[in-house]
Amino acid sequence: DQQVKQNSPSLSVQEGRISILNCDYTNSMFDYFLWYKKYPAEGPTFLISISSIKDKNEDGRFTVFLNKSAKHLSLHIVPSQPGDSAVYFCAASFTGNQFYFGTGTSLTVIP
Amino acid sequence: KAGVTQTPRYLIKTRGQQVTLSCSPISGHRSVSWYQQTPGQGLQFLFEYFSETQRNKGNFPGRFSGRQFSNSRSEMNVSTLELGDSALYLCASRRKEGSYEQYFGPGTRLTVT
Repeated sequence: DQQVKQNSPSLSVQEGRISILNCDYTNSMFDYFLWYKKYPAEGPTFLISISSIKDKNEDGRFTVFLNKSAKHLSLHIVPSQPGDSAVYFCAASFTGNQFYFGTGTSLTVIP
Repeated sequence: KAGVTQTPRYLIKTRGQQVTLSCSPISGHRSVSWYQQTPGQGLQFLFEYFSETQRNKGNFPGRFSGRQFSNSRSEMNVSTLELGDSALYLCASRRKEGSYEQYFGPGTRLTVT
């Protein structure tokens, strides 16, 4: 049973525009959410995270929004750059015991 | 500080064989987790080891097993390989249990023919 879902397998965005990647989860016990970025032939690298007690976290061009009532989080990248082209995974955890990952969204930023 | 290393990076095996993958965590990290990544399934949690003890286990058959050594290095073994086991196997290390920061290795690409 997929507890974390990314319903968009791919997304294409023009350079300079906003990229919005979405993620839904089913388990209301999750208390921490993370986004990872993955390039081909490399392991995922941590991008940004948010605790369930917050609804927004910002780090430079990256902002994560959490809507607990909708069990939805999103990653905004502004402005998008060609180097942002990668696969993005969202992940969720409760008490840090285990991480549940989505299926990933492949982002292509077109120059 | 060196990152998480995994060996081998690529592996081709025949159905029915067994395989052992290795993972060396970041120095000082005592927790190692293993994940299977396949197209359309994302990263699926296999198991986690901390201080040589399995702490958590995902929903995989008993053909998948692992262990951790006293130096925190971990191995994952898959016996009686099936075609569906073809995947990228990733390991991730954490400094301690309960930490939300985990660092991934580059993965081992296993192809079963």
